[in-house]
Amino acid sequence: NAGVTQTPKFRVLKTGQSMTLLCAQDMNHEYMYWYRQDPGMGLRLIHYSVGEGTTAKGEVPDGYNVSRLKKQNFLLGLESAAPSQTSVYFCASSYSPPASEQYFGPGTRLTVT
Amino acid sequence: AQKVTQAQTEISVVEKEDVTLDCVYETRDTTYYLFWYKQPPSGELVFLIRRNSFDEQNEISGRYSWNFQKSTSSFNFTITASQVVDSAVYFCALRERSGAGSYQLTFGKGTKLSVIP
Repeated sequence: NAGVTQTPKFRVLKTGQSMTLLCAQDMNHEYMYWYRQDPGMGLRLIHYSVGEGTTAKGEVPDGYNVSRLKKQNFLLGLESAAPSQTSVYFCASSYSPPASEQYFGPGTRLTVT
Repeated sequence: AQKVTQAQTEISVVEKEDVTLDCVYETRDTTYYLFWYKQPPSGELVFLIRRNSFDEQNEISGRYSWNFQKSTSSFNFTITASQVVDSAVYFCALRERSGAGSYQLTFGKGTKLSVIP
């Protein structure tokens, strides 16, 4: 099993450009999550999904959109990138909470200039 | 107020020393879950342990041990005889029911542990 994979690993964007980050999991998890990690801030939840076709906002959703068209995939989109979105993005998946732990992908380092 | 407070931003110890990472949480729920994750320099997050609010037994796994005390809202993590491979950022996290009825995981800001050979 590959677990949780993320594409791409690194990306540099110019302000105003758009991009999509792809997350895939092969553990048949219902729940999927997108976090961002900034220095000294820990991980903050951007959006999450409780199942195929569903999405919900997390703590810091502004400037991002998500889609969950297939159970195994969770896409994070930036429509018009801003320097404040420079961060490391982590995808995670889990069985139904609250007890189940989340499994994390390797992260995507995004720089917006 | 932070829901999960890891007051120690950075800790340095010499190899073979014991070290305790502190975690204090805040919740109004009676049912909640606490987690510890490790983030080594390679960047991935690795799950270490889960504890639910009804289980106050301490846990030991090899050189790792966890002390959960509801009376002080703390879930501290001790590494015995630290090794260089323990160098990482450690995150404590709380899962409780959110206002929308779902369960969200709230992370502390992390403690960076450096083990010096």
